Amino acid sequence: GQQLNQSPQSMFIQEGEDVSMNCTSSSIFNTWLWYKQDPGEGPVLLIALYKAGELTSNGRLTAQFGITRKDSFLNISASIPSDVGIYFCAGGYGGATNKLIFGTGTLLAVQP
Amino acid sequence: EPEVTQTPSHQVTQMGQEVILRCVPISNHLYFYWYRQILGQKVEFLVSFYNNEISEKSEIFDDQFSVERPDGSNFTLKIRSTKLEDSAMYFCASRGTANSPLHFGNGTRLTVT
Repeated sequence: GQQLNQSPQSMFIQEGEDVSMNCTSSSIFNTWLWYKQDPGEGPVLLIALYKAGELTSNGRLTAQFGITRKDSFLNISASIPSDVGIYFCAGGYGGATNKLIFGTGTLLAVQP
Repeated sequence: EPEVTQTPSHQVTQMGQEVILRCVPISNHLYFYWYRQILGQKVEFLVSFYNNEISEKSEIFDDQFSVERPDGSNFTLKIRSTKLEDSAMYFCASRGTANSPLHFGNGTRLTVT
């Protein structure tokens, strides 16, 4: 089936550091989304990207839709302890169903 | 801000029993989904529902699974005869249009013993 590979698998950083994670696929997607999941909760949308090459920011978060449509990255600047969680990328094909294919996740731990 | 709500938050059931997981999508949304997340793994698509019918389902969504929108607000997932491997978090999600972002509920943790 479709596979989205996220890297790194986990990151352990100090508060204030910048973070970068990315997602790659062998398939082309029409949309890329980034979600954050806290323990015991559902994924919460962070950023949605709809066009190849698009660069979008949401506060300290910045994400880009790769020009090949097969990859995306998420950057977090000046990390804070509440950034802790699992970050998932998700690719969508569009169309009537527009189901999302989720990446394998990046666990982020921030030390105060 | 409107949100997707799911009940119960945790359901424990014995193998072979039927379970119904309930969801109330965001009120003006038209597209509904169920996803599953086995502990420690990624979120997996199960089924999408639009215009009162299934629009797509994954290979996970076999004959033991069914979905229903019994009224104007609820969206349910039924597992007819649960198996141990059905233990997972089940997330309901909805979106307003085909291309708008997908919003998830907080999930139902299903434990099959």
